[in-house]
Amino acid sequence: AQKITQTQPGMFVQEKEAVTLDCTYDTSDPSYGLFWYKQPSSGEMIFLIYQGSYDQQNATEGRYSLNFQKARKSANLVISASQLGDSAMYFCAMRNRDDKIIFGKGTRLHILP
Amino acid sequence: DAGVIQSPRHEVTEMGQEVTLRCKPISGHNSLFWYRQTMMRGLELLIYFNNNVPIDDSGMPEDRFSAKMPNASFSTLKIQPSEPRDSAVYFCASSLGQIQETQYFGPGTRLLVL
Repeated sequence: AQKITQTQPGMFVQEKEAVTLDCTYDTSDPSYGLFWYKQPSSGEMIFLIYQGSYDQQNATEGRYSLNFQKARKSANLVISASQLGDSAMYFCAMRNRDDKIIFGKGTRLHILP
Repeated sequence: DAGVIQSPRHEVTEMGQEVTLRCKPISGHNSLFWYRQTMMRGLELLIYFNNNVPIDDSGMPEDRFSAKMPNASFSTLKIQPSEPRDSAVYFCASSLGQIQETQYFGPGTRLLVL
């Protein structure tokens, strides 16, 4: 069965520090995509970064990078130099060839000044 | 690009009433998804369409929920009759139908059933 697990319900991090949000996944499909979304308190879902199962390099988008360890089935999100505006809920998600995307339960990140 | 458009943004209704949520996907996207988000259950996929055809509705809670996509630019999610436990934020999202294509979410409809 396909599954996304985010084990950290909440995290507190000091501003300017790097943050790692954990995500593990389970699928028997060799072809899949992994996504991270940010949901600030205003409620909208914002796409952050994508990693394909066949991608050789870890994805990066500005301060966001994805630590993709395929053998361990993990896709952790790393935010460098955290900012107060990074405080939000973060969701890891996976998409398989059946087109459906499944989401983890999310991690609430609090950046402290 | 206007993004995914949802209406209404907020809906307050009384138990037993019919509720219709509307969604306009991004032009050119051929996959459309309806999600429900609550504190208790997180983000749940209710149903998704590909090329206007419902592909998987296994997440629809019960027969009170129905969804349609009469054309590529419009979809509805209907709850009849509504119950207080249906109170949630309902998101519509659209994407191109490839694994690497991200979903783009609408702003959501915040539904409160009294």
